[in-house]
Amino acid sequence: GAVVSQHPSWVICKSGTSVKIECRSLDFQATTMFWYRQFPKQSLMLMATSNEGSKATYEQGVEKDKFLINHASLTLSTLTVTSAHPEDSSFYICSARDPDTWAEQYFGPGTRLTVT
Amino acid sequence: KQEVTQIPAALSVPEGENLVLNCSFTDSAIYNLQWFRQDPGKGLTSLLLIQSSQREQTSGRLNASLDKSSGRSTLYIAASQPGDSATYLCAVFSSGSARQLTFGSGTQLTVLP
Repeated sequence: GAVVSQHPSWVICKSGTSVKIECRSLDFQATTMFWYRQFPKQSLMLMATSNEGSKATYEQGVEKDKFLINHASLTLSTLTVTSAHPEDSSFYICSARDPDTWAEQYFGPGTRLTVT
Repeated sequence: KQEVTQIPAALSVPEGENLVLNCSFTDSAIYNLQWFRQDPGKGLTSLLLIQSSQREQTSGRLNASLDKSSGRSTLYIAASQPGDSATYLCAVFSSGSARQLTFGSGTQLTVLP
């Protein structure tokens, strides 16, 4: 099956710094990737849809200037949390859509971000 | 806007029992419905995907059904084992203008040895 990786798997950063999370589709080209956030004991909430070569589409309530998304290639999307604050601490999960099976998404293993 | 609800929020059963997890969704215009498993602090493992034209899918001890017209799906787990303990998430891929995956809040399952 299709594989999606994320790096890093966990990261601790100080308040006010920025952190970048990478999402890669390993064996297929993904024109569309998705970024989700999951708080403890809660479900996944879609943050934004990342389209290769164009601007990301953000969900209502998600600050695009704080959560920068770049999808510069068909296998890589990055999420940069700028000026991180403790309330940004969460589990971030990406997924990618395989154009050949476009109605199915493949999920990465997630990145645990802790802002101190 | 699609809304997905999972009942119960938590379930504890003794090993060996058969159990059913429920998922309901408000908009029947969907492409597919997917059940995932999530272990604590981990990502998602896809268990079963049911296309909108299908009624059910089976994989080992798992069976998922879909009644699109009534907006319901069930995940049946036979002969439960302690290793089945995890959170089970239901997600619906809507075919409306949103065309996105909407997740339920999950059912936390504990299988007691």
